Amino acid sequence: AQSVTQLGSHVSVSEGALVLLRCNYSSSVPPYLFWYVQYPNQGLQLLLKYTSAATLVKGINGFEAEFKKSETSFHLTKPSAHMSDAAEYFCAVRKGNQGGKLIFGQGTELSVKP
Amino acid sequence: NAGVTQTPKFQVLKTGQSMTLQCAQDMNHEYMSWYRQDPGMGLRLIHYSVGAGITDQGEVPNGYNVSRSTTEDFPLRLLLAAPSQTSVYFCASSSGLAASDNEQFFGPGTRLTVL
Repeated sequence: AQSVTQLGSHVSVSEGALVLLRCNYSSSVPPYLFWYVQYPNQGLQLLLKYTSAATLVKGINGFEAEFKKSETSFHLTKPSAHMSDAAEYFCAVRKGNQGGKLIFGQGTELSVKP
Repeated sequence: NAGVTQTPKFQVLKTGQSMTLQCAQDMNHEYMSWYRQDPGMGLRLIHYSVGAGITDQGEVPNGYNVSRSTTEDFPLRLLLAAPSQTSVYFCASSSGLAASDNEQFFGPGTRLTVL
């Protein structure tokens, strides 16, 4: 069975500082992993996805994530935080071999201080 | 393309009432899903569909019904609303092509309050 754990429900960084949001997964099949961002009162927008093509995945808005099989991790990073990055971030794993089913982590709320 | 659309955006119900949350997509996607979002719990899958006429249960299906008569539409029905169904509901769709991808596109959500 697949599952996702996000470490830290709230993360606060200063503008210009490194952003690191942690995600660990459990999967009995080769995982397909996703990071989504949700801005206040909006739906979810895909940041990036891992589908086994490359372990370092680059996404939108300067975010990237590295798939580490040995650590069962897929942490999200951005070298320099911007005020506009303040949002909630969700890590997700595709359930089984079918599309249409994602298992989400609990979410991490990112705050950016000026 | 409008993408995934949901109506209504907000709804207040009384316990025991019924209603239907509407979801439509114009991307000709095979897969459609309903999730609910609750604080500290992320999103949880309610029901999903792999094509017209085919639906199945997700993690939290109790109290909800779905049907899929067309590729475009996937309504979610609450038959007897309960306060525990107060939540934000998201509809999503994804292509059935390329099994290794399946990026889901999300609608803007429906905020439901059951009193």
